[in-house]
Amino acid sequence: DIQMTQSPSSLSASVGDRVTITCRASRTIWNSLNWYQHKPGKAPRLLIYGASSVQTGVPSRFSGSGSGTDFTLTISGLQPEDFAIYYCQQTFNLPSLSFGGGTRVEI
Amino acid sequence: EVQLAESGGGLVQPGGSLRLSCAASGFTFSAYEMTWVRQAPGKGLEWIAYIGGSSGSGIYYADSVQGRFTITRDDAHNSLFLQMQSLRADDTAIYYCARYTGTFSPPYYYYMDVWGKGTTVAVSS
Repeated sequence: DIQMTQSPSSLSASVGDRVTITCRASRTIWNSLNWYQHKPGKAPRLLIYGASSVQTGVPSRFSGSGSGTDFTLTISGLQPEDFAIYYCQQTFNLPSLSFGGGTRVEI
Repeated sequence: EVQLAESGGGLVQPGGSLRLSCAASGFTFSAYEMTWVRQAPGKGLEWIAYIGGSSGSGIYYADSVQGRFTITRDDAHNSLFLQMQSLRADDTAIYYCARYTGTFSPPYYYYMDVWGKGTTVAVSS
């Protein structure tokens, strides 16, 4: 199975900050990498698919990059509604659609 | 509006069984692959089961539930199910159903684009 490792596990930031979250796959997943936002009591929300494609309706301050094994989610200009937990997920290896451990973005 | 709504969660004793349902609306359910994902208290998201479209062509499970959980679908009633047996304390979680789809032209990328709000399962004596 492919293991997904996120860092950091949590970070503190302020409104307006530029935030970067990284995700590393245990072996190459090409660009089969998604990012989700999850708030307590809410449904997870797809932000980025294919490593860098922004899902319809997601603000342009969210961007993704990377390929192979190393990926990055960037939030340019953190907004109050962005405080949440962010997960990466690989969909390269269908029998296992593994998620990273999550990164909590807090004030 | 495209929606998924889970139901069937509750409190069950260790070793017991529970059947979760996921009602889909606003899209052609039969055309889509579907998944179940859970989140245990204080833990991250964990994918646990996948079922293909076209009445379930292709079924996969995470090792943690293999042999105990069964994913099925009823396309006539736009519903997804998760039959859970031999439940353990570490199955306590919020269970989400999610639509699994992808891009329609190369390069082909796959993702979970629609999620329900989840149903809570607690396994305790």
